[in-house]
Amino acid sequence: DTAVSQTPKYLVTQMGNDKSIKCEQNLGHDTMYWYKQDSKKFLKIMFSYNNKELIINETVPNRFSPKSPDKAHLNLHINSLELGDSAVYFCASSPSRVGHNEKLFFGSGTQLSVL
Amino acid sequence: DAKTTQPPSMDCAEGRAANLPCNHSTISGNEYVYWYRQIHSQGPQYIIHGLKNNETNEMASLIITEDRKSSTLILPHATLRDTAVYYCIVRVEAMRFGAGTRLTVKP
Repeated sequence: DTAVSQTPKYLVTQMGNDKSIKCEQNLGHDTMYWYKQDSKKFLKIMFSYNNKELIINETVPNRFSPKSPDKAHLNLHINSLELGDSAVYFCASSPSRVGHNEKLFFGSGTQLSVL
Repeated sequence: DAKTTQPPSMDCAEGRAANLPCNHSTISGNEYVYWYRQIHSQGPQYIIHGLKNNETNEMASLIITEDRKSSTLILPHATLRDTAVYYCIVRVEAMRFGAGTRLTVKP
Protein backbone atom coordinates (compact mmCIF):
# COMPACT_ATOMS: atom_id res chain seq x y z
CA ASP A 1 0.00 0.00 0.00
CA THR A 2 1.31 3.41 -0.97
CA ALA A 3 1.72 5.60 2.11
CA VAL A 4 1.36 8.99 0.42
CA SER A 5 -0.32 8.92 -2.96
CA GLN A 6 -0.81 11.77 -5.40
CA THR A 7 -2.89 11.94 -8.52
CA PRO A 8 -2.37 12.56 -11.31
CA LYS A 9 1.29 11.70 -11.84
CA TYR A 10 1.45 13.86 -14.97
CA LEU A 11 -0.66 16.87 -15.82
CA VAL A 12 -0.37 18.77 -19.10
CA THR A 13 -2.64 21.75 -19.57
CA GLN A 14 -3.03 25.10 -21.26
CA MET A 15 -2.37 28.51 -19.74
CA GLY A 16 -5.40 29.95 -18.04
CA ASN A 17 -6.96 26.61 -17.11
CA ASP A 18 -7.88 25.51 -13.59
CA LYS A 19 -6.58 22.19 -12.32
CA SER A 20 -6.42 20.15 -9.12
CA ILE A 21 -3.91 17.71 -7.67
CA LYS A 22 -5.08 15.26 -5.04
CA CYS A 23 -3.11 13.81 -2.16
CA GLU A 24 -4.01 11.11 0.33
CA GLN A 25 -2.02 9.54 3.14
CA ASN A 26 -2.88 6.31 4.94
CA LEU A 27 -0.31 6.68 7.72
CA GLY A 28 -2.61 8.30 10.24
CA HIS A 29 -0.43 11.42 10.27
CA ASP A 30 -1.65 14.75 11.60
CA THR A 31 0.31 17.05 9.30
CA MET A 32 0.40 17.36 5.52
CA TYR A 33 2.37 19.57 3.16
CA TRP A 34 2.72 20.71 -0.41
CA TYR A 35 6.16 21.35 -1.87
CA LYS A 36 7.11 22.69 -5.29
CA GLN A 37 10.28 21.66 -7.12
CA ASP A 38 11.13 23.90 -10.05
CA SER A 39 13.32 23.25 -13.07
CA LYS A 40 16.43 24.20 -11.08
CA LYS A 41 15.51 21.45 -8.63
CA PHE A 42 14.96 23.73 -5.64
CA LEU A 43 12.38 22.20 -3.34
CA LYS A 44 10.23 24.84 -1.63
CA ILE A 45 7.49 24.44 0.91
CA MET A 46 4.17 25.96 -0.13
CA PHE A 47 1.63 24.97 2.51
CA SER A 48 1.33 22.95 5.66
CA TYR A 49 -1.87 21.73 7.32
CA ASN A 50 -2.18 20.28 10.79
CA ASN A 51 -5.44 18.44 11.50
CA LYS A 52 -7.14 20.30 8.64
CA GLU A 53 -5.92 23.67 9.86
CA LEU A 54 -3.64 25.81 7.70
CA ILE A 55 -0.36 26.30 9.55
CA ILE A 56 2.07 27.52 6.90
CA ASN A 57 1.40 29.57 3.79
CA GLU A 58 4.69 30.53 2.16
CA THR A 59 3.97 33.60 0.04
CA VAL A 60 2.16 31.55 -2.55
CA PRO A 61 -0.06 33.38 -5.09
CA ASN A 62 -3.77 33.38 -4.30
CA ARG A 63 -4.32 31.29 -7.42
CA PHE A 64 -3.14 28.33 -5.32
CA SER A 65 -5.74 27.12 -2.86
CA PRO A 66 -5.14 24.07 -0.70
CA LYS A 67 -8.11 22.22 0.73
CA SER A 68 -8.08 19.62 3.47
CA PRO A 69 -11.46 17.86 3.79
CA ASP A 70 -10.02 15.61 6.50
CA LYS A 71 -6.59 15.02 7.96
CA ALA A 72 -5.84 12.21 5.50
CA HIS A 73 -6.34 14.40 2.43
CA LEU A 74 -4.76 17.62 1.20
CA ASN A 75 -5.68 18.72 -2.30
CA LEU A 76 -4.17 21.57 -4.26
CA HIS A 77 -6.30 23.61 -6.63
CA ILE A 78 -4.65 26.02 -9.02
CA ASN A 79 -6.60 28.70 -10.87
CA SER A 80 -5.58 30.50 -14.06
CA LEU A 81 -2.48 28.44 -14.63
CA GLU A 82 0.65 30.28 -15.80
CA LEU A 83 3.78 29.06 -17.56
CA GLY A 84 5.78 29.58 -14.36
CA ASP A 85 3.60 27.08 -12.53
CA SER A 86 5.28 24.28 -14.47
CA ALA A 87 7.09 22.19 -11.87
CA VAL A 88 6.92 18.97 -9.91
CA TYR A 89 4.58 19.22 -6.94
CA PHE A 90 5.18 16.92 -4.00
CA CYS A 91 2.76 16.11 -1.25
CA ALA A 92 4.12 14.95 2.11
CA SER A 93 2.89 14.00 5.55
CA SER A 94 4.42 13.70 9.00
CA PRO A 95 3.23 12.32 12.35
CA SER A 96 3.22 15.84 13.78
CA ARG A 97 4.98 19.15 13.33
CA VAL A 98 6.77 18.95 16.65
CA GLY A 99 10.47 19.20 15.98
CA HIS A 100 11.60 15.75 17.02
CA ASN A 101 8.81 13.97 15.20
CA GLU A 102 8.55 15.86 11.94
CA LYS A 103 9.75 13.04 9.69
CA LEU A 104 8.29 13.74 6.29
CA PHE A 105 7.02 11.02 4.01
CA PHE A 106 6.73 12.19 0.42
CA GLY A 107 4.54 11.16 -2.44
CA SER A 108 6.02 10.40 -5.84
CA GLY A 109 5.19 13.82 -7.25
CA THR A 110 2.95 15.35 -9.90
CA GLN A 111 4.71 16.78 -12.90
CA LEU A 112 2.72 19.78 -14.09
CA SER A 113 3.42 21.20 -17.55
CA VAL A 114 1.66 24.40 -18.55
CA LEU A 115 1.73 25.09 -22.29
CA ASP B 1 16.99 30.77 3.55
CA ALA B 2 18.38 27.42 4.68
CA LYS B 3 20.51 27.46 7.83
CA THR B 4 22.91 24.86 6.46
CA THR B 5 25.89 24.77 4.11
CA GLN B 6 26.82 21.67 2.14
CA PRO B 7 29.32 20.99 -0.64
CA PRO B 8 27.51 20.95 -4.00
CA SER B 9 28.87 17.57 -5.05
CA MET B 10 30.91 14.58 -3.89
CA ASP B 11 32.05 11.28 -5.32
CA CYS B 12 32.44 7.99 -3.51
CA ALA B 13 33.67 4.56 -4.57
CA GLU B 14 31.19 1.74 -4.35
CA GLY B 15 31.60 -0.25 -1.14
CA ARG B 16 33.41 2.55 0.66
CA ALA B 17 31.98 4.82 3.33
CA ALA B 18 30.43 8.08 2.13
CA ASN B 19 30.89 10.95 4.57
CA LEU B 20 28.70 13.94 3.80
CA PRO B 21 29.46 17.10 5.79
CA CYS B 22 27.06 19.85 6.79
CA ASN B 23 27.71 23.15 8.54
CA HIS B 24 24.98 24.72 10.65
CA SER B 25 26.84 27.27 12.75
CA THR B 26 23.72 29.28 13.66
CA ILE B 27 21.76 26.32 15.01
CA SER B 28 19.79 26.96 18.20
CA GLY B 29 19.67 24.68 21.21
CA ASN B 30 16.32 23.06 20.46
CA GLU B 31 16.66 22.74 16.67
CA TYR B 32 17.03 19.29 15.19
CA VAL B 33 19.25 18.30 12.27
CA TYR B 34 17.49 16.22 9.63
CA TRP B 35 18.87 14.41 6.60
CA TYR B 36 16.87 13.51 3.53
CA ARG B 37 17.85 12.31 0.10
CA GLN B 38 16.26 12.52 -3.32
CA ILE B 39 17.04 9.83 -5.84
CA HIS B 40 16.63 11.11 -9.40
CA SER B 41 13.13 12.64 -9.59
CA GLN B 42 11.52 10.61 -6.82
CA GLY B 43 10.06 12.19 -3.72
CA PRO B 44 12.62 12.95 -1.01
CA GLN B 45 13.25 10.16 1.48
CA TYR B 46 13.86 10.64 5.19
CA ILE B 47 17.19 9.22 6.36
CA ILE B 48 17.91 10.21 9.94
CA HIS B 49 17.72 13.07 12.42
CA GLY B 50 19.26 14.10 15.72
CA LEU B 51 19.53 16.81 18.33
CA LYS B 52 22.94 16.43 19.94
CA ASN B 53 23.74 12.76 20.34
CA ASN B 54 25.07 10.61 17.54
CA GLU B 55 22.38 8.52 15.90
CA THR B 56 22.41 5.33 13.86
CA ASN B 57 19.72 3.47 11.98
CA GLU B 58 19.56 0.90 9.22
CA MET B 59 20.35 3.48 6.57
CA ALA B 60 23.06 5.68 8.02
CA SER B 61 24.83 7.22 10.99
CA LEU B 62 24.67 10.85 12.03
CA ILE B 63 27.59 12.39 13.85
CA ILE B 64 26.93 15.79 15.42
CA THR B 65 29.85 17.78 16.83
CA GLU B 66 29.79 18.69 20.48
CA ASP B 67 29.18 22.37 19.73
CA ARG B 68 26.42 21.30 17.30
CA LYS B 69 27.75 23.61 14.60
CA SER B 70 28.32 20.83 12.11
CA SER B 71 27.37 17.25 11.41
CA THR B 72 28.33 14.37 9.14
CA LEU B 73 26.08 11.81 7.54
CA ILE B 74 27.82 8.48 7.07
CA LEU B 75 26.69 5.83 4.62
CA PRO B 76 28.91 2.95 5.76
CA HIS B 77 29.03 0.93 2.54
CA ALA B 78 27.84 3.05 -0.36
CA THR B 79 26.17 1.33 -3.30
CA LEU B 80 25.30 2.63 -6.75
CA ARG B 81 21.71 3.02 -5.55
CA ASP B 82 22.87 5.59 -3.00
CA THR B 83 23.57 8.06 -5.82
CA ALA B 84 21.26 10.95 -4.97
CA VAL B 85 21.04 14.53 -3.72
CA TYR B 86 21.44 14.60 0.06
CA TYR B 87 19.85 17.40 2.05
CA CYS B 88 20.90 18.50 5.51
CA ILE B 89 18.15 20.53 7.16
CA VAL B 90 17.94 22.42 10.41
CA ARG B 91 14.25 22.52 11.06
CA VAL B 92 13.05 26.05 11.80
CA GLU B 93 9.25 26.21 11.86
CA ALA B 94 9.18 23.95 8.82
CA MET B 95 11.38 21.59 6.81
CA ARG B 96 13.11 23.89 4.32
CA PHE B 97 15.39 22.30 1.76
CA GLY B 98 18.59 23.89 0.51
CA ALA B 99 20.61 22.93 -2.57
CA GLY B 100 22.00 19.75 -0.99
CA THR B 101 25.01 17.64 -1.98
CA ARG B 102 24.88 15.58 -5.12
CA LEU B 103 26.57 12.28 -4.19
CA THR B 104 27.73 10.09 -7.04
CA VAL B 105 28.73 6.55 -6.14
CA LYS B 106 31.09 5.14 -8.75
CA PRO B 107 31.87 1.49 -9.53
